[in-house]
Amino acid sequence: EDQVTQSPEALRLQEGESSSLNCSYTVSGLRGLFWYRQDPGKGPEFLFTLYSAGEEKEKERLKATLTKKESFLHITAPKPEDSATYLCAVPPRNAGGTSYGKLTFGQGTILTVHP
Amino acid sequence: GAGVSQSPSNKVTEKGKDVELRCDPISGHTALYWYRQSLGQGLEFLIYFQGNSAPDKSGLPSDRFSAERTGGSVSTLTIQRTQQEDSAVYLCASSWTSGGTDTQYFGPGTRLTVL
Repeated sequence: EDQVTQSPEALRLQEGESSSLNCSYTVSGLRGLFWYRQDPGKGPEFLFTLYSAGEEKEKERLKATLTKKESFLHITAPKPEDSATYLCAVPPRNAGGTSYGKLTFGQGTILTVHP
Repeated sequence: GAGVSQSPSNKVTEKGKDVELRCDPISGHTALYWYRQSLGQGLEFLIYFQGNSAPDKSGLPSDRFSAERTGGSVSTLTIQRTQQEDSAVYLCASSWTSGGTDTQYFGPGTRLTVL
């Protein structure tokens, strides 16, 4: 069974203090990894999809990277508006080796950025 | 542009009553997913639809839960004889297809409280 583990559970940063969030997974075969951001009382908002080891994607102060066993979400010079829960998720693979849509999510990292 | 919409946004009900939760996916998206998010829990998959068919219902916690989708668009999640443990945020997502690497876009959720 696919497992996704995120660390730390919570992270408190000062504005401008860069850091990284970790998402490790035990899945059979790499077939994509998703990052989402979730604000309180809202649904998850899509950030990135990474498809293969070595891939990197950036959006404003966020950069996501992927290895064969884990993904990192790097936050450079964060601002208070970056405060949110960050979720990673992987799709399963069926017996035929193709993936389909049901996502397995990690528990999330609650990021708080203080001014 | 129109995203995924869900109604109601909040629902308070008494134990033993039936509830219906509605999801309107993004126009043109053929795949639709239901997830549940409880306090302290991650997002838990319930069921997904490809068109009007539900290939995977494995996440439905009991036979009190059912879902349908009509016209390849709107979906309704029904919970019969609600219990207090059903209290959670119910999230709907849609994607172009049910292929595992298609991005799932989430709605704002319905917060269900069972008294």
